[in-house]
Amino acid sequence: GGIITQTPKFLIGQEGQKLTLKCQQNFNHDTMYWYRQDSGKGLRLIYYSITENDLQKGDLSEGYDASREKKSSFSLTVTSAQKNEMAVFLCASRGLGGVAETLYFGSGTRLTVL
Amino acid sequence: TQTVSQSDAHVTVFEGDSVELRCNYSYGGSIYLSWYIQHHGRGLQFLLKYYSGNPVVQGVNGFEAEFSKSDSSFHLRKASVHWSDSAVYFCAASMTGGYKVVFGSGTRLLVSP
Repeated sequence: GGIITQTPKFLIGQEGQKLTLKCQQNFNHDTMYWYRQDSGKGLRLIYYSITENDLQKGDLSEGYDASREKKSSFSLTVTSAQKNEMAVFLCASRGLGGVAETLYFGSGTRLTVL
Repeated sequence: TQTVSQSDAHVTVFEGDSVELRCNYSYGGSIYLSWYIQHHGRGLQFLLKYYSGNPVVQGVNGFEAEFSKSDSSFHLRKASVHWSDSAVYFCAASMTGGYKVVFGSGTRLLVSP
């Protein structure tokens, strides 16, 4: 079995700060995802990457950058943190086989902006 | 626009009751549907999926779901819930052959002893 590791688990930032979240997977999966989870709003797709060095914008990409320099890692940057922002960011991966494959999730990074 | 909607934000039942959590989708073409569970403070875990064939699919821990093309639905059911089933349940969808996976807003299930 594999695992998805997200770091840090908790992230506290200041308004206007650039913040980076990291995700590592050892499934050897090609596709990786970043979702934002707000209370009562479910998961919203920020970025996804079909393979190494590929980036695709999701529905919520404004205000974020992403990087996929290695197959095993996928980073997300909040370009300018918004005051009083609170959310959980979830990373996921999926193997080849496209439609039939399951998403595997990390346990999340909880962001608080003061 | 591809959307997934879960009409019930909260569902409360007693242990041993049956439960149905509703999911409706709006997609054109062939669709891949799945359900995930999220326990407090954790990431999502896969429960079951539908792609083709028998519209009733079985998942882990006694969960099943039924696909209906006519109703654009993929409701999740369990015949007898346990207190440990208390969690948030998410329905998800993607186009067949696609990579973008869209989630519903989730249903929080509370099972009272």
